[in-house]
Amino acid sequence: AQSVTQLGSHVSVSEGALVLLRCNYSSSVPPYLFWYVQYPNQGLQLLLKYTTGATLVKGINGFEAEFKKSETSFHLTKPSAHMSDAAEYFCAVRSSSGGSYIPTFGRGTSLIVHP
Amino acid sequence: KAGVTQTPRYLIKTRGQQVTLSCSPISGHRSVSWYQQTPGQGLQFLFEYFSETQRNKGNFPGRFSGRQFSNSRSEMNVSTLELGDSALYLCASSWETGGYEQYFGPGTRLTVT
Repeated sequence: AQSVTQLGSHVSVSEGALVLLRCNYSSSVPPYLFWYVQYPNQGLQLLLKYTTGATLVKGINGFEAEFKKSETSFHLTKPSAHMSDAAEYFCAVRSSSGGSYIPTFGRGTSLIVHP
Repeated sequence: KAGVTQTPRYLIKTRGQQVTLSCSPISGHRSVSWYQQTPGQGLQFLFEYFSETQRNKGNFPGRFSGRQFSNSRSEMNVSTLELGDSALYLCASSWETGGYEQYFGPGTRLTVT
């Protein structure tokens, strides 16, 4: 069975500071990995995804994530936080099990950006 | 290109009733997935349909069901509503299953009283 752990339900940073949101996964087979962002009263928006190939993935709004197989991690980073980055962030894993692709989401991390 | 639309956006029902939620995917997308989002359980996968067939199913009771029509539009139904069914129900569409990115709708907020 696959699982996703997001360390820290809340992360607080100052505007302009580095953003680091942690995600660790478990999967018995090579996974597809995703980061989504959710703003209040909205659905989820895809930030970036890893399927195969380059382990450093660049996404929208200046975010990027690195797939580290040895550490089973897929942490999300952004060099400089902006007030508009304040939102809920979800890491998700999707891997094949008997031909099925059941997606599993982490519990989410709320990013708070201080002026 | 229009995004994923869900109707209705808000719904209030009474325990024991049933409810049907609707989702229209992005044009050309053949896969539609449904999720339940609650503060206590987070985001949980309900089921996925592809070309009118259920492809994947999460761990929810049989009261939760869905279907997909030939135009890829999808509906989910919850029968015999319970208080615990109060949640934001999200629909997501994608070109295919697996590693393809999903595009989410704004959700339907269901409140069961």
